[in-house]
Amino acid sequence: GAVVSQHPSRVICKSGTSVKIECRSLDFQATTMFWYRQFPKQSLMLMATSNEGSKATYEQGVEKDKFLINHASLTLSTLTVTSAHPEDSSFYICSATGPTGELFFGEGSRLTVL
Amino acid sequence: DAKTTQPTSMDCAEGRAANLPCNHSTISGNEYVYWYRQIHSQGPQYIIHGLKNNETNEMASLIITEDRKSSTLILPHATLRDTAVYYCIVRVGGGNAGNMLTFGGGTRLMVKP
Repeated sequence: GAVVSQHPSRVICKSGTSVKIECRSLDFQATTMFWYRQFPKQSLMLMATSNEGSKATYEQGVEKDKFLINHASLTLSTLTVTSAHPEDSSFYICSATGPTGELFFGEGSRLTVL
Repeated sequence: DAKTTQPTSMDCAEGRAANLPCNHSTISGNEYVYWYRQIHSQGPQYIIHGLKNNETNEMASLIITEDRKSSTLILPHATLRDTAVYYCIVRVGGGNAGNMLTFGGGTRLMVKP
């Protein structure tokens, strides 16, 4: 079946630094990918919709200048957390719609900001 | 997308069937019922989806009521590895409609030996 892969799976960084997370669709092309954030013991919250070749669409309350999304190809979207702070520590998950309509999710990337 | 309501948690004995209910009374005619599960510290995994007919695959069965206002996910022989949070989501099927996807709280299923 369709596979979505994220990298890195875990990252620890110092406060004030930027971190990039990659999301790849491995065997299908995805014109749209989605980024979610999940805090401990909470459900997934949609952050933004990543559109290939155009600007991302952000959900209300999500700072577009802090969470930079780039979708430069049909198989890759990146999320960059700029000037990360401890409150940005979370589990970040991407997803993409497969060829037959199902949503496939990446393995998730756990960010810890010290 | 229509909102869903699920019990917060459920227990199931290993080897028995796990029946996870979901209410979606405001579902629209073009919305499908999708089920995903999330094992701890992993991304959600697709399980099954349906529109109005009951569906079965190698993982589970999905029973949708005739009025489509509720559904039940059935894991026929639960194993310890089925312990996870199960999310019931209703959304327009196909295409890139996922930007309207809303995750509720899900049901935390604990399979016990």
